[in-house]
Amino acid sequence: GAVVSQHPSWVICKSGTSVKIECRSLDFQATTMFWYRQFPKQSLMLMATSNEGSKATYEQGVEKDKFLINHASLTLSTLTVTSAHPEDSSFYICSARGQAPRAYEQYFGPGTRLTVT
Amino acid sequence: LAKTTQPISMDSYEGQEVNITCSHNNIATNDYITWYQQFPSQGPRFIIQGYKTKVTNEVASLFIPADRKSSTLSLPRVSLSDTAVYYCLVVPPYNTDKLIFGTGTRLQVFP
Repeated sequence: GAVVSQHPSWVICKSGTSVKIECRSLDFQATTMFWYRQFPKQSLMLMATSNEGSKATYEQGVEKDKFLINHASLTLSTLTVTSAHPEDSSFYICSARGQAPRAYEQYFGPGTRLTVT
Repeated sequence: LAKTTQPISMDSYEGQEVNITCSHNNIATNDYITWYQQFPSQGPRFIIQGYKTKVTNEVASLFIPADRKSSTLSLPRVSLSDTAVYYCLVVPPYNTDKLIFGTGTRLQVFP
C-alpha cells in the first residue's frame, strides 16, 4: 500500500518559536493532502486541505496565519506552526490522496507529537 | 457529509467477536461506509469499506442492512492488539472530499 511519512515524529519547542512539520508521500504523487490535529482522548479535527501549487483551504476556526501550509510538490506538504504556544501542543496528522484512478484512496501519516513548553 | 453515531467505548475479552454499530441515518444514495482503526500515537489506518450487504477482508467484516442507515463492523476473535479507536465514516463516491471524523469507538480488549 501507499506510504505517507511525517517528520519529525515528535518535537519539543519553546513558546514563541516556530516549528515545521513535513508530510511526504513516498511512493505515489499526491495532489491533495490534509492536515489534522488531535488532542488527547479526542477525535481527529481537520485543519486544512492542501492542494499542490495553490493556497490551502482552512477549516472554520483555524488561523491560517498561525498554521502555514505549503504544498510545493506532488510529494511534500509542510505545516508550520508559527509563534507556538502551549495550547498548540497536540498530535498533528497528515493524509494524502492519490491521483486518478486511485484518487478516492487516502493514506495517513504516522503523526507528529508537538509539545510547546 | 452524513453524520455518524457510534458508542463511545466498548470492552471485550480476547477471543471474543466484537461488533461495533454505527448509525448514519442521512446517508446519501451514492455514499460509501468506511471504517478506520487508530492506535495510540499513530495515524488512522483503513480497515474496510462497503456500500451494501456484506464485505469481508482479512481483518474484519462489514454488515450493511438494506436501508443502509446503519452498519456493523465485526472483528472476529479479538486480541489485545485490537485495542484501538475505531471510526466509522460515510464518504461520497471516489472519496475525493475531505474526511470528517466523528467521536469513534474506543475498544478495550482484556486478557
